[in-house]
Amino acid sequence: QQPVQSPQAVILREGEDAVINCSSSKALYSVHWYRQKHGEAPVFLMILLKGGEQKGHEKISASFNEKKQQSSLYLTASQLSYSGTYFCGTEIGNQFYFGTGTSLTVIP
Amino acid sequence: DAGVTQSPTHLIKTRGQQVTLRCSPKSGHDTVSWYQQALGQGPHFIFQYYEEEERQRGNFPDRFSGHQFPNYSSELNVNALLLGDSALYLCASSFRVRGLGTDTQYFGPGTRLTVL
Repeated sequence: QQPVQSPQAVILREGEDAVINCSSSKALYSVHWYRQKHGEAPVFLMILLKGGEQKGHEKISASFNEKKQQSSLYLTASQLSYSGTYFCGTEIGNQFYFGTGTSLTVIP
Repeated sequence: DAGVTQSPTHLIKTRGQQVTLRCSPKSGHDTVSWYQQALGQGPHFIFQYYEEEERQRGNFPDRFSGHQFPNYSSELNVNALLLGDSALYLCASSFRVRGLGTDTQYFGPGTRLTVL
């Protein structure tokens, strides 16, 4: 039931854009996005509650396609501080499932 | 406003021992979830406590148990430690809004457990 993310890893130069995808085999009613830096706890980025909902957080935004059971995270004009592992997640029956994770590295 | 706090930060135990990890939720939060994160993997849900009861449990053996106190703080206990229990243990707190169907979780810094 763990959501699958793609790509597994991506390397960007500062200023480039990236898209991280999250797909589930189960129906999604909400999608959460987190970023985790090495050795630190996951940090909440945003939550999408309705199909088609899009949200933004500075230069990071996300969309949620409930019918396709997918969500995508968009990072524009990436900064060095964006480096980390990104996880999507969803709640199924009071249990929270994190996605497989995407490692993002931004280089100068 | 203090966020989620966990103690201890690091812990080293030997196989067969028992360990207790502690978590204080963010102010105003009444739900605590525990996760295990092995090196290079994402967090895996252990269980969730709400109103001092275990509301949901992930795929973890009975060696993993927990408790929530009236002040919403929580403990995670692991008995008969195995080498494979070495991981970062994360606590997350949230507030369940009726009808919303999901929580926003805020994570503590974690406890790094090493089993030798």
